[in-house]
Amino acid sequence: RKEVEQDPGPFNVPEGATVAFNCTYSNSASQSFFWYRQDCRKEPKLLMSVYSSGNEDGRFTAQLNRASQYISLLIRDSKLSDSATYLCVVRKANNLFFGTGTRLTVIP
Amino acid sequence: EAGVTQFPSHSVIEKGQTVTLRCDPISGHDNLYWYRRVMGKEIKFLLHFVKESKQDESGMPNNRFLAERTGGTYSTLKVQPAELEDSGVYFCASSHLGVDFYNEQFFGPGTRLTVL
Repeated sequence: RKEVEQDPGPFNVPEGATVAFNCTYSNSASQSFFWYRQDCRKEPKLLMSVYSSGNEDGRFTAQLNRASQYISLLIRDSKLSDSATYLCVVRKANNLFFGTGTRLTVIP
Repeated sequence: EAGVTQFPSHSVIEKGQTVTLRCDPISGHDNLYWYRRVMGKEIKFLLHFVKESKQDESGMPNNRFLAERTGGTYSTLKVQPAELEDSGVYFCASSHLGVDFYNEQFFGPGTRLTVL
């Protein structure tokens, strides 16, 4: 069983739309949670950490449900520049475990 | 401040040959990690150095892979002999030493390895 499962998409949404990504993780001992963004043929870059109380950064909102082992990312008012692959990432000890990523394309 | 750098950016070799990948972490980062993404799969952890010591190498696929970090600065990952299934993108990441579970790992641009 994979450590992190997420819907690969693709998600094609118009500019201005709201889009939500979900992922689940298998190991209840996981310690911290992140969303990374990866542009085509580039390295993953941290988008935001995900805290138990939920957190928001501008148009981005992340939620964590430890009981259900579920993480979400909500993007409001999508921009063309949001087009990328969004990676759900879980940390256990010092190591990161990645989902396969969800591909988002924002259409003009 | 310079980010994590990796060399080469691309490498195409034949099955049975040897390839050495290099990673230079962000200056002052004691943690150094190697990850790999093979086609269609998720990025997977290979190993973790703290300074020059291997902290965790549980993700290394087999003994054809050898990682070193002499002097605790840059690291090399050697694949010898390379097999077709070793093709993929090899990422290096680094971070500060610390117990903060939200300590960010910064990734390099990756080395795209193709084994023919």
